[in-house]
Amino acid sequence: RKEVEQDPGPFNVPEGATVAFNCTYSNSASQSFFWYRQDCRKEPKLLMSVYSSGNEDGRFTAQLNRASQYISLLIRDSKLSDSATYLCVVNKNTGNQFYFGTGTSLTVIP
Amino acid sequence: EAQVTQNPRYLITVTGKKLTVTCSQNMNHEYMSWYRQDPGLGLRQIYYSMNVEVTDKGDVPEGYKVSRKEKRNFPLILESPSPNQTSLYFCASSFGGLAPLHFGNGTRLTVT
Repeated sequence: RKEVEQDPGPFNVPEGATVAFNCTYSNSASQSFFWYRQDCRKEPKLLMSVYSSGNEDGRFTAQLNRASQYISLLIRDSKLSDSATYLCVVNKNTGNQFYFGTGTSLTVIP
Repeated sequence: EAQVTQNPRYLITVTGKKLTVTCSQNMNHEYMSWYRQDPGLGLRQIYYSMNVEVTDKGDVPEGYKVSRKEKRNFPLILESPSPNQTSLYFCASSFGGLAPLHFGNGTRLTVT
């Protein structure tokens, strides 16, 4: 079983739509969680960390459900510039190894 | 500007010709690591380092070497590259522990 699993999509949504991605992780002792954004052939960039209490940054909301071992990312009022691949990243209990989902592709359509 | 710098950005080489991809960070990060990204497989960790002179294997270390002689540098060495090492490589660093990773801008390697 993969450490981190994501629905690869693609998600094609109209501008202004709300879209949600989920990601599941297998190691219950995982301690830190992140969402990264990756544009085609470029480096992943940190979008937001995910905290147990959930956190929001503008149009983006991240949630963590430890009981079910998944994290989610909600994007409200989608913009064309949100088109990218979104990577779920989990840090194992040792803090030494990061595990990446294969990414979810989002295209926002005018 | 805080950054992770990788070089070269693009590299085409032949089987068996030793190469080194450099990685340098100016954020005084303790933790550095190398990843390769392949279609459908996502990012996979090759090696990581918790500090100077401390390195450990990740999930796909075969065919690679690293060294950490200075805190800021973490070169990736391919002693005898093979075509299955054709990939997009990223170096990343962080303060360690549970802090997020900061990535270099990638090296696209083709081995023929």
